[in-house]
Amino acid sequence: AQSVSQHNHHVILSEAASLELGCNYSYGGTVNLFWYVQYPGQHLQLLLKYFSGDPLVKGIKGFEAEFIKSKFSFNLRKPSVQWSDTAEYFCAVNAPNNDMRFGAGTRLTVKP
Amino acid sequence: KAGVTQTPRYLIKTRGQQVTLSCSPISGHRSVSWYQQTPGQGLQFLFEYFSETQRNKGNFPGRFSGRQFSNSRSEMNVSTLELGDSALYLCASSGTQGATGELFFGEGSRLTVL
Repeated sequence: AQSVSQHNHHVILSEAASLELGCNYSYGGTVNLFWYVQYPGQHLQLLLKYFSGDPLVKGIKGFEAEFIKSKFSFNLRKPSVQWSDTAEYFCAVNAPNNDMRFGAGTRLTVKP
Repeated sequence: KAGVTQTPRYLIKTRGQQVTLSCSPISGHRSVSWYQQTPGQGLQFLFEYFSETQRNKGNFPGRFSGRQFSNSRSEMNVSTLELGDSALYLCASSGTQGATGELFFGEGSRLTVL
C-alpha cells in the first residue's frame, strides 16, 4: 500500500512569512493527492486536491500545492501566512481502488 | 445537508472492556472509512466499507472490527481494550468507492482507556 511522509513535525512562523510544507509519497502508479487541514477544535477538511492535469493546484484560503511526479512530492505552499492559518496539516495519498493514507501531520503555529 | 455524525463524542473505558462507535455518513454516500488519530502518528487507516462490504483493511489487530449496514451507517468495535487504544477515532464518508474522491470527516469519538 502507499505511504506518506511529512518532513516537518512542527513549524513556527511569524505572520506574513512564506510557508512550504513537504510531503513525499511512495507508490509507483497513478495517485490522487490531497492536503487536509484541521483547525483547533474542528474536524478535518479538504484544503486542495490533485487528480490530473496542471500539477500546480490552488485551494482555499490562498494555499497551493505542486505535484512533482519525478520526486514523488506534493508540497503545500502559501506566500504569506496569517494567524488564522494555525492548524495541523495532513498530506494524503490515494491510489485507485485503494484506501486513502495520511502522513503524520505538520503542526503550524503562526505568531501574530 | 447534514455532515458525518459520530457517536458518542467522548467515552471512557477501562482495560479489558469493549467499545462500539457509530458513524452516520452524509446522505447518499456509500463509502465509510475509519481512522485512528493519535499525536505524532497522524491518521492511521483502520478499514473502509462500501455497500456493506469491507473493501480495505489497515494493519490493526483483530480486536478492531467494523461493519456497515444497508443504510450505509457504520460501526466499529474494539474488544479487550488496551491503554494504547486511547485515541480519537475518525469516520469519513465518500461518494465514491475506494475513496478516490474527497473524504468528509466527522468530529470523531475520543476514547480514553484507563
